[in-house]
Amino acid sequence: DGGITQSPKYLFRKEGQNVTLSCEQNLNHDAMYWYRQDPGQGLRLIYYSQIVNDFQKGDIAEGYSVSREKKESFPLTVTSAQKNPTAFYLCASTLTGEWLMGGQPQHFGDGTRLSIL
Amino acid sequence: GQQLNQSPQSMFIQEGEDVSMNCTSSSIFNTWLWYKQDPGEGPVLLIALYKAGELTSNGRLTAQFGITRKDSFLNISASIPSDVGIYFCAGQGSGYALNFGKGTSLLVTP
Repeated sequence: DGGITQSPKYLFRKEGQNVTLSCEQNLNHDAMYWYRQDPGQGLRLIYYSQIVNDFQKGDIAEGYSVSREKKESFPLTVTSAQKNPTAFYLCASTLTGEWLMGGQPQHFGDGTRLSIL
Repeated sequence: GQQLNQSPQSMFIQEGEDVSMNCTSSSIFNTWLWYKQDPGEGPVLLIALYKAGELTSNGRLTAQFGITRKDSFLNISASIPSDVGIYFCAGQGSGYALNFGKGTSLLVTP
């Protein structure tokens, strides 16, 4: 089945440690996104990528890094510079061309919950 | 990006009642989306609206794209226990990213 797979479901980080969250999609979507969700809050954009080898900062990019070496994959690294990393992280994707014409909107994975030990 | 003003923040209703929630923005959007999120899962798209004034239904759900392009509402008719969850509105302007509301938490008692 086609979809967006995020792993792991739960992740724990020690102080000063970098951790990487995985996001893979087999939908042949062009654009991929990372959002952060805190309790009682909406989703806030961390980074997004419209095509391979290109990505842009979102509203809260500080302390995070990404790469887009393959169309299917958009991993997010939470670095030690992110002082409040405990949150629910969501990855999404969409067909860019159709999106511009008002086509398929963003579809989400099931998220990774990151906690600090 | 901006966060949208979504209300109410939470609703506690009895099964069978109708529900209404809305989102407003200070900016004009080209697209309005409504998502539902169950605990520990990602949001699932319910309804997408692409044209000002558009009224779209999906089963018991009805959503409208406001004429001013700065607001949208979602109605759920004859609520059932499985409607429980958090409902998010999202608007898209000229860029690729979505702007989200803070969500409406819906609880339905049998």
